[in-house]
Amino acid sequence: SQKIEQNSEALNIQEGKTATLTCNYTNYSPAYLQWYRQDPGRGPVFLLLIRENEKEKRKERLKVTFDTTLKQSLFHITASQPADSATYLCALAIYNQGGKLIFGQGTELSVKP
Amino acid sequence: DGGITQSPKYLFRKEGQNVTLSCEQNLNHDAMYWYRQDPGQGLRLIYYSQIVNDFQKGDIAEGYSVSREKKESFPLTVTSAQKNPTAFYLCASSIGEAETAQYFGPGTRLTVL
Repeated sequence: SQKIEQNSEALNIQEGKTATLTCNYTNYSPAYLQWYRQDPGRGPVFLLLIRENEKEKRKERLKVTFDTTLKQSLFHITASQPADSATYLCALAIYNQGGKLIFGQGTELSVKP
Repeated sequence: DGGITQSPKYLFRKEGQNVTLSCEQNLNHDAMYWYRQDPGQGLRLIYYSQIVNDFQKGDIAEGYSVSREKKESFPLTVTSAQKNPTAFYLCASSIGEAETAQYFGPGTRLTVL
């Protein structure tokens, strides 16, 4: 069956360290992958998109990698801050399904000062 | 001020009643989506629409209905046939083509009493 899995346990790190979140998928051939941030009680906010033929994408302190052989994406936040504390969702888009996305369950990140 | 709005923020319903959740966008997006989110889980797609007067079932459409009579509006009706309707409901919109982000509303928290 098709599955998308993110770290189910919350990730707790110290301010200034790099946070690394994982998104693994099985039985999909995604065209591209997106990462979203969600704060409690709010809708998700788009962060980054990476295509299947791209290995890495950066935006300010954020970096995403996409390994279609390992069927995995890693999401990094460098020099993390308490304001980065939130739940981070990965989402896959499949070929020929327009803008339809399939979401993982999310990983909660907590950055301590 | 462009964006996507959902109303109401909180909704209470008695068991056996139908209820309609509103979703409006002024982003001129063709595609709109409804998701359900349960505690500790990711987003699950209920219905989506890629163009006016057309919509498709998502992964968990049973007990829900939608309409798309206008580009700006995509209301979701939670019917009495939905066995476990208490959840956080999120509406989103996008340009609709591949490789585009989804923009989310603030969500409606529905509680069935």
